[in-house]
Amino acid sequence: QQPVQSPQAVILREGEDAVINCSSSKALYSVHWYRQKHGEAPVFLMILLKGGEQKGHDKISASFNEKKQQSSLYLTASQLSYSGTYFCGTEIGGGADGLTFGKGTHLIIQP
Amino acid sequence: GAVVSQHPSWVICKSGTSVKIECRSLDFQATTMFWYRQFPKQSLMLMATSNEGSKATYEQGVEKDKFLINHASLTLSTLTVTSAHPEDSSFYICSARRQGGYGYTFGSGTRLTVV
Repeated sequence: QQPVQSPQAVILREGEDAVINCSSSKALYSVHWYRQKHGEAPVFLMILLKGGEQKGHDKISASFNEKKQQSSLYLTASQLSYSGTYFCGTEIGGGADGLTFGKGTHLIIQP
Repeated sequence: GAVVSQHPSWVICKSGTSVKIECRSLDFQATTMFWYRQFPKQSLMLMATSNEGSKATYEQGVEKDKFLINHASLTLSTLTVTSAHPEDSSFYICSARRQGGYGYTFGSGTRLTVV
């Protein structure tokens, strides 16, 4: 089942912060975050595993609430390069079965 | 590490013809690869799971006779769109995960336009 992302779109000024949310109705094994620029493939940002382990970028952080099956991606002091569409992808099992992606959050950073 | 190469990056074909897309893991072996499709301004939708040496697993609603998948080696999976029609025009992306690694690595994608 497709995870639900919010908001659908965000417009920020450079230097401002943003939070993107992802929730699932199913118990998750992991949540993956990607950023995609127009016409390009998604780029891996962060993975959050059941049990609290995280792997990802230095300047991007995220959380995973296992009780609520919700994840949030935190973008602080946004830069122009952060513009793009952010997708969360979820895994139910831990057996590398591919990802189910949310509909995406379109982020625009203005100078 | 964990590089996935996809070829071609774009292709235009006539309606009724077939198109083959290749996905290679360059620095690791991938027993499983995944094929996604993305229509304009939409999300990525998993089409099928490609398994080395065995039949692919297709998601509900994906025609296995139309989208032929072959995973002949530990580093190569191919997707063939047979008898392509304009509604098959889309962005096709493959991905794989290195065993023991974190996150899925995506290929650069193939933009298919059927005219």
